[in-house]
Amino acid sequence: NAGVTQTPKFRILKIGQSMTLQCTQDMNHNYMYWYRQDPGMGLKLIYYSVGAGITDKGEVPNGYNVSRSTTEDFPLRLELAAPSQTSVYFCASRTQRQGALDKLFFGSGTQLSVL
Amino acid sequence: TQLLEQSPQFLSIQEGENLTVYCNSSSVFSSLQWYRQEPGEGPVLLVTVVTGGEVKKLKRLTFQFGDARKDSSLHITAAQPGDTGLYLCAGPTSGTYKYIFGTGTRLKVLA
Repeated sequence: NAGVTQTPKFRILKIGQSMTLQCTQDMNHNYMYWYRQDPGMGLKLIYYSVGAGITDKGEVPNGYNVSRSTTEDFPLRLELAAPSQTSVYFCASRTQRQGALDKLFFGSGTQLSVL
Repeated sequence: TQLLEQSPQFLSIQEGENLTVYCNSSSVFSSLQWYRQEPGEGPVLLVTVVTGGEVKKLKRLTFQFGDARKDSSLHITAAQPGDTGLYLCAGPTSGTYKYIFGTGTRLKVLA
């Protein structure tokens, strides 16, 4: 019962490099989200998707891109990495239930350092 | 833009004390959720409140949703060191499928 799987767990990038953070879920959820979390802070929404082929910007989208070609996968791409992108990144999928049954399922996170 | 502001940002208390964490917004939320997060892990859902004025209890934790559904509070009775962590409120923004988190409250309970 995998849930939401993120890879890699850790990565160090040099300024200007690019990389893709992978996220896969096996719960057939249409809603998926990417967040970043700076030390001791809350989660900031980067991008989200409501289904294959449909994505939209969150609160802090600059410097990132996403795609959603399948229900299962929601990769996050960093182009031209900058030190300000040093953070922990979480992917999540969400049930399409209402009210008290509304719930996010999180991956284990990717700790990214840009030096 | 809908925002969720939490207060206090940091809280350090002695074991056995009571505390309250607040989550406020100028916008109405259809529901709010509270999560606890420990270092190196993702947030874990504690509770969802849906109805204005709703009160939910989870052992020593009491959650309340404001009557106008713009705010929520988390009260911990007789805090224990195991309650230490980052507490986050979160919820779906109205009119979109965005799901946003509050600014976080870092709690440390000293033995």
